[in-house]
Amino acid sequence: DAEITQSPRHKITETGRQVTLACHQTWNHNNMFWYRQDLGHGLRLIHYSYGVQDTNKGEVSDGYSVSRSNTEDLPLTLESAASSQTSVYFCASSESRAGGQETQYFGPGTRLLVL
Amino acid sequence: RKEVEQDPGPFNVPEGATVAFNCTYSNSASQSFFWYRQDCRKEPKLLMSVYSSGNEDGRFTAQLNRASQYISLLIRDSKLSDSATYLCVVAAVNTGNQFYFGTGTSLTVIP
Repeated sequence: DAEITQSPRHKITETGRQVTLACHQTWNHNNMFWYRQDLGHGLRLIHYSYGVQDTNKGEVSDGYSVSRSNTEDLPLTLESAASSQTSVYFCASSESRAGGQETQYFGPGTRLLVL
Repeated sequence: RKEVEQDPGPFNVPEGATVAFNCTYSNSASQSFFWYRQDCRKEPKLLMSVYSSGNEDGRFTAQLNRASQYISLLIRDSKLSDSATYLCVVAAVNTGNQFYFGTGTSLTVIP
């Protein structure tokens, strides 16, 4: 069955370290997204991609970067982890559809703690 | 002002009850609407899309009111398994079709 996976599922790191969170989907979806979820906030968009070599900043992109070298993967990198980046991170993917937005399917999430 | 606002609840209802959630959105150009369900410490999962004419899926009914800029979710005959957080999601072409999520409404169905 097609799916979307994230790794690691849990991560503890120290302030200032570079961290990369992996996201892999086997649906062959063009669109992929990274969100963070914090108490008191809805899911907030960090970065997104509509295809290979395409990346775009979302609402809360500062301190994060992504790259899209193939259809299946969109790794999220925290350049220099900060305590404010402690959060639950969700990756999502969707098909492309002209004139609207297809349903997004989410991975299981990565819980990141920055000490 | 937030793009999407929901009453966080919690809503505590007995089994068999009917419960309704509302969600308001600020962007009048919004054209895609969804309800997602999120169980504790799990990922959000699509519950249903919301269409202009309203739509029903078993015990769940979704309505859209464009004039007042809100969407609603009605759950009839609540089950224990309906206990979860319900997320309202809105997207608009003039914001790049990005999904904007509400903070969620917590529902607990009590035996």
